[in-house]
Amino acid sequence: ILNVEQSPQSLHVQEGDSTNFTCSFPSSNFYALHWYRWETAKSPEALFVMTLNGDEKKKGRISATLNTKEGYSYLYIKGSQPEDSATYLCASYGGQNFVFGPGTRLSVLP
Amino acid sequence: SQTIHQWPATLVQPVGSPLSLECTVEGTSNPNLYWYRQAAGRGLQLLFYSVGIGQISSEVPQNLSASRPQDRQFILSSKKLLLSDSGFYLCAWSRGTGSLGREQYFGPGTRLTVT
Repeated sequence: ILNVEQSPQSLHVQEGDSTNFTCSFPSSNFYALHWYRWETAKSPEALFVMTLNGDEKKKGRISATLNTKEGYSYLYIKGSQPEDSATYLCASYGGQNFVFGPGTRLSVLP
Repeated sequence: SQTIHQWPATLVQPVGSPLSLECTVEGTSNPNLYWYRQAAGRGLQLLFYSVGIGQISSEVPQNLSASRPQDRQFILSSKKLLLSDSGFYLCAWSRGTGSLGREQYFGPGTRLTVT
């Protein structure tokens, strides 16, 4: 069974600050790495799906990188806004098992 | 466009009672379907997934079961609920005809409290 970890567990930043989180996953039997944003009272929403080592993806102010050899992914948010406040989940798919990390809870203070 | 429905939204059930949660997807065919649970203070845990009608894979041994009687219908059941079954249950789908590793789309969830 895969073990997916995320850090930090929670984060408070000021509006306008840039921030980043880490997702670590077993590098063996890797197939795909997902990032989701889960806002309170809503459903998780997909941000990125990455499969290739060195992948970099961007959506607006949010971007992500992937290192499959060492088993980590970074999610970056540039110029955080209050609407970015949410729990950010990563999930690793290893061909058979789909495992979510515990999430990083981000609070952006105005 | 595709939509995913779950019901009920909230449920309070006594220990030992049966459970049936339903999930339906509209606007797509042959989706991969998933059931997740988030227990209090825990992350999302994959319970079951299905790649087709009648095909169910279980990720975690438990007193829950899943069924897929139709292409776009996924049901989570239990004959006798335990206190530990309390949690937030999410259904999700991804595009089929290929890898299970594709982007997933989540339903609104069911909050289950077992008393």
